[in-house]
Amino acid sequence: EVQLVESGGGLVQPGGSLRLSCAASGFSFNIYSMNWVRQAPGKGLEWVSYISSTGSTMYYTDSVTGRFTISRDNAKNSLYLQMNSLRAEDTAVYYCTRASGPVAGKADYWGQGTEVTVSS
Amino acid sequence: EIVMTQSPATLSRSPGERATLSCRASQSVGNNLAWYQQKPGQAPRLLIYGASTRATGIPARFSGSGSGTEFTLTFSSLQSEDFAVYYCQQYNNWPPFFGQGTRLEIK
Repeated sequence: EVQLVESGGGLVQPGGSLRLSCAASGFSFNIYSMNWVRQAPGKGLEWVSYISSTGSTMYYTDSVTGRFTISRDNAKNSLYLQMNSLRAEDTAVYYCTRASGPVAGKADYWGQGTEVTVSS
Repeated sequence: EIVMTQSPATLSRSPGERATLSCRASQSVGNNLAWYQQKPGQAPRLLIYGASTRATGIPARFSGSGSGTEFTLTFSSLQSEDFAVYYCQQYNNWPPFFGQGTRLEIK
């Protein structure tokens, strides 16, 4: 059974940092690209970042470029999102998703999400 | 960037009725279009990919159609568990934006 379990969310002050993690199991993690998708309170879904299966290619949505860094450790079946210089508008539930298909691919599996709140 | 526009924002239907949701892309995305369902307090789940292929375990009452810039998600007969928010997403070009969602509510 495919499982994606996010952790690392919490309350952080503006300008602060957080590192989200996603533990993957039930599939060959090292052959799948992965994405982070977020959802602000009461809002829709927003794609945040993509990483290829080998970790050699990464993409970001414009609003997080230069502040967020996606990475992965295939030996640990884990995906990460380092978030720096956090802003109030980064407040959201962050989902880890498995990708398959062209570009960022379709998100065929989702974690349960981890909540990030940026507030003073 | 490709803008995805869903309509209507809210659709009210009764159980047993047929329903159709629309998703329009600002430029062609071929058939690289997915639909997701999200219920309150839950993560989204994949319903349809490749514009018309049902994901594993998705009932046949859900169907997707379209290509290029116009797509639809159709429910042949609504069940109580289908009332939720639905999002489309294109994955043909960067960035892979989602539509703003359609809320399907009980009439």
